[in-house]
Amino acid sequence: DAGITQSPRHKVTETGTPVTLRCHQTENHRYMYWYRQDPGHGLRLIHYSYGVKDTDKGEVSDGYSVSRSKTEDFLLTLESATSSQTSVYFCAISEPTGEGTGELFFGEGSRLTVL
Amino acid sequence: QQQVKQSPQSLIVQKGGIPIINCAYENTAFDYFPWYQQFPGKGPALLIAIRPDVSEKKEGRFTISFNKSAKQFSLHIMDSQPGDSATYFCASPTGFQKLVFGTGTRLLVSP
Repeated sequence: DAGITQSPRHKVTETGTPVTLRCHQTENHRYMYWYRQDPGHGLRLIHYSYGVKDTDKGEVSDGYSVSRSKTEDFLLTLESATSSQTSVYFCAISEPTGEGTGELFFGEGSRLTVL
Repeated sequence: QQQVKQSPQSLIVQKGGIPIINCAYENTAFDYFPWYQQFPGKGPALLIAIRPDVSEKKEGRFTISFNKSAKQFSLHIMDSQPGDSATYFCASPTGFQKLVFGTGTRLLVSP
C-alpha cells in the first residue's frame, strides 16, 4: 500500500468551527490532492498541489483552503465549517510517469460530520 | 466544468454474470482512461487503465472497451465473483496529472 496517512479519520464538529485535515505521505510524490466523496456526486476535486507551496483550485474549492509547506504534508482547512461540508474526504498522491497522467494513490479517507 | 457521465448508478448481477459499466466523456486533455475500484471503508484504487492507441485492454477478468469516435468507454467484468462487489469509478484527464471522476457505480454480485 502507498504510504498515505490521513488524520483524523473521523471528526464531528459544529457549524462555524474551523477544521483541519492532514495528509501525510512517505512516497515523496510531487502531486497531492484533496477530493470529497458524496453520494450521487462521486469524487470531486477540491484542491491539489504540484509542489511545495504550489497549489491550485479544483472544481469544488469554495469554503476550503490548503497549504503545503513540506513535500510530505498537505493540509485541508475549512475556515468555518458548514453542514454542506459533511462528507468523506480523500487525500491522493501521484507522480508523473512521462506519459501525461500517472496513477493516483488514495488514502483511507476522513469522515467529517458538521452538525 | 468537464464531466464524465457514468451509468448505471447501481447494478446487481449473479455470480458468473458479466456486469458492464459505461462512461461518456467530453473533451479530454490526454488519452488516458482509468477505472478505479473502491471497497467499503477504503480509498479507491486503480483497477485498469487504457491509453487508446488500442480499442480494448484486458487484465485478468477485467476489460476496458474504448470508442473514440463516440467518446465512450466501458468496463466489463467477466465471470464476476462476490469479491468484485464494490463501487467502480471511471475517470478522464482534465489536465496534467488531474482527473475528473464519474459518479460511481455500486456493483453487487450475488452468490
